[in-house]
Amino acid sequence: GAVVSQHPSRVICKSGTSVKIECRSLDFQATTMFWYRQFPKQSLMLMATSNEGSKATYEQGVEKDKFLINHASLTLSTLTVTSAHPEDSSFYICSARPSGGAETQYFGPGTRLLVL
Amino acid sequence: AQSVAQPEDQVNVAEGNPLTVKCTYSVSGNPYLFWYVQYPNRGLQFLLKYITGDNLVKGSYGFEAEFNKSQTSFHLKKPSALVSDSALYFCAHTGATNKLIFGTGTLLAVQP
Repeated sequence: GAVVSQHPSRVICKSGTSVKIECRSLDFQATTMFWYRQFPKQSLMLMATSNEGSKATYEQGVEKDKFLINHASLTLSTLTVTSAHPEDSSFYICSARPSGGAETQYFGPGTRLLVL
Repeated sequence: AQSVAQPEDQVNVAEGNPLTVKCTYSVSGNPYLFWYVQYPNRGLQFLLKYITGDNLVKGSYGFEAEFNKSQTSFHLKKPSALVSDSALYFCAHTGATNKLIFGTGTLLAVQP
């Protein structure tokens, strides 16, 4: 149980294009999902909290117009990196917290983004 | 500021020996503490958590952790290490905002 998937697992794109990453909770509903970014050999940095049916809450320093988050259902959140640049290349990981007040977050396998 | 600290960047242990990955916390109130493991190019897998109750928490893959309030620690342990345990381990806590705050991670290397 508590499986989270991400798609795609790896994407290479040209500078200036937009990339959409999907995060799905496969066997549970998640009112809240989270998006993280991880640089090589570093810890995870929380980018934003995604709430079903409402606007995402962004962490300080994260551009909301660049990293668009949509949480349209209880099992799906999407992160769109708009007008991607090489500095956006990173490992993006989502997590989902089961609805009902659970404390544990379950993580997706991550998406490796490379912007050329 | 509320945080968790992992003082060791890397821990080396021989297969079959006991392992300990250290974590200390600085959290006001009752801490919610977690351990996650990350294999190369993968997301994080939940190992165990302490919310309340018994100080010794047992988790996945034979791992356990002991919540020690007097030492503000939550060290991860396993009696007998496997080569397949080699990975990056993160300690984390959730504060009042319910956001996970991660430590810097400890790379565990188990030698055959």
